[in-house]
Amino acid sequence: EDQVTQSPEALRLQEGESSSLNCSYTVSGLRGLFWYRQDPGKGPEFLFTLYSAGEEKEKERLKATLTKKESFLHITAPKPEDSATYLCAVRRNYGQNFVFGPGTRLSVLP
Amino acid sequence: KAGVTQTPRYLIKTRGQQVTLSCSPISGHRSVSWYQQTPGQGLQFLFEYFSETQRNKGNFPGRFSGRQFSNSRSEMNVSTLELGDSALYLCASSWSSGAQETQYFGPGTRLLVL
Repeated sequence: EDQVTQSPEALRLQEGESSSLNCSYTVSGLRGLFWYRQDPGKGPEFLFTLYSAGEEKEKERLKATLTKKESFLHITAPKPEDSATYLCAVRRNYGQNFVFGPGTRLSVLP
Repeated sequence: KAGVTQTPRYLIKTRGQQVTLSCSPISGHRSVSWYQQTPGQGLQFLFEYFSETQRNKGNFPGRFSGRQFSNSRSEMNVSTLELGDSALYLCASSWSSGAQETQYFGPGTRLLVL
């Protein structure tokens, strides 16, 4: 059974204090690993899709990396507006459902 | 390009009633998935439709059903509502080209069952 875990559950950072969020997964034949950002009361906002080990993608202060067992979302010099819950999900094959992790709740203090 | 839209945004129902939620995917997206999100269980997959056919179904009782129309718009229905059905229901549309895939979510429908 496909499984996704995320750590830490919650993270508090000072503005400018860089850190990483972890997404560990168990899936046979990964098609894609997806990262989302979700603000309270809103739908998840798509950030990245990673497809193979060694792949990296960047967007503003965010950088996502992928290994065969986990993915990291690195946040460089975060700002208060980066505060949100970050979700990762895996999809085994096209036509198989997405499996989401529980999320990491990030708070960036000014 | 317009994003994924969901209607209604908020809904209050009582136990035993039924409810229908609607989702319009991004133009050109043929796959629509539905999810239930609660504080205790997180995001849980309900079902996925592709070209009017249900392609995948999560572990939810038969009270939860859905369908997709020829224009890719989708509806989900929950019959005989229970208090535990109170949740944020999210619709997402997917696009894929070869090995590339993205999935975009709508704003959700907040359902409260009293």
